[in-house]
Amino acid sequence: DQQVKQNSPSLSVQEGRISILNCDYTNSMFDYFLWYKKYPAEGPTFLISISSIKDKNEDGRFTVFLNKSAKHLSLHIVPSQPGDSAVYFCAASALGNTPLVFGKGTRLSVIA
Amino acid sequence: DAGVIQSPRHEVTEMGQEVTLRCKPISGHNSLFWYRQTMMRGLELLIYFNNNVPIDDSGMPEDRFSAKMPNASFSTLKIQPSEPRDSAVYFCASSWAGGPGANVLTFGAGSRLTVL
Repeated sequence: DQQVKQNSPSLSVQEGRISILNCDYTNSMFDYFLWYKKYPAEGPTFLISISSIKDKNEDGRFTVFLNKSAKHLSLHIVPSQPGDSAVYFCAASALGNTPLVFGKGTRLSVIA
Repeated sequence: DAGVIQSPRHEVTEMGQEVTLRCKPISGHNSLFWYRQTMMRGLELLIYFNNNVPIDDSGMPEDRFSAKMPNASFSTLKIQPSEPRDSAVYFCASSWAGGPGANVLTFGAGSRLTVL
């Protein structure tokens, strides 16, 4: 049973517009959430994270929102750029630095 | 730092052969993770080590899979005998457990395994 779900396998957005990637989780013990970006033939790279004590974290064009009651988080990219085209993985961990549990990923295509 | 180094980057082998994947974590990191990526299951954790000690291997699919970490700078993942369903990209990742950013894993570039 998937504890971290990314229900959209792919997303296509025009350059300059907002990209919104969604993630849902089922384990209420998760308290730390991360987004990773992955280009072809490379390993995933850390993008941004959020602790369960916050509901928003921003880093440049990237903002992550957390809705604990809905067990939902989202990644907003504004404005989207062609270089943002990649697979984005949502990940979560529980108290005590347990290993990250990943979603299956969403492939983002930013069209010029 | 050169990051997490994995070898080989690509491996093509025949069913029944032994496969050994290698990983050198980032110097100073004390946690090491092996993940497998497939289309069907995404990124799934196989096993992880803290201070060279295996902590959780419940993700290892079968007894055909084994992993070792003989020292802080080297780990191997072995599949013997390999089967076509083992075809996947295998990632090694490391982190410094016990401090800020402990949850942030640094991944290697992966080893793409194809079993014919």
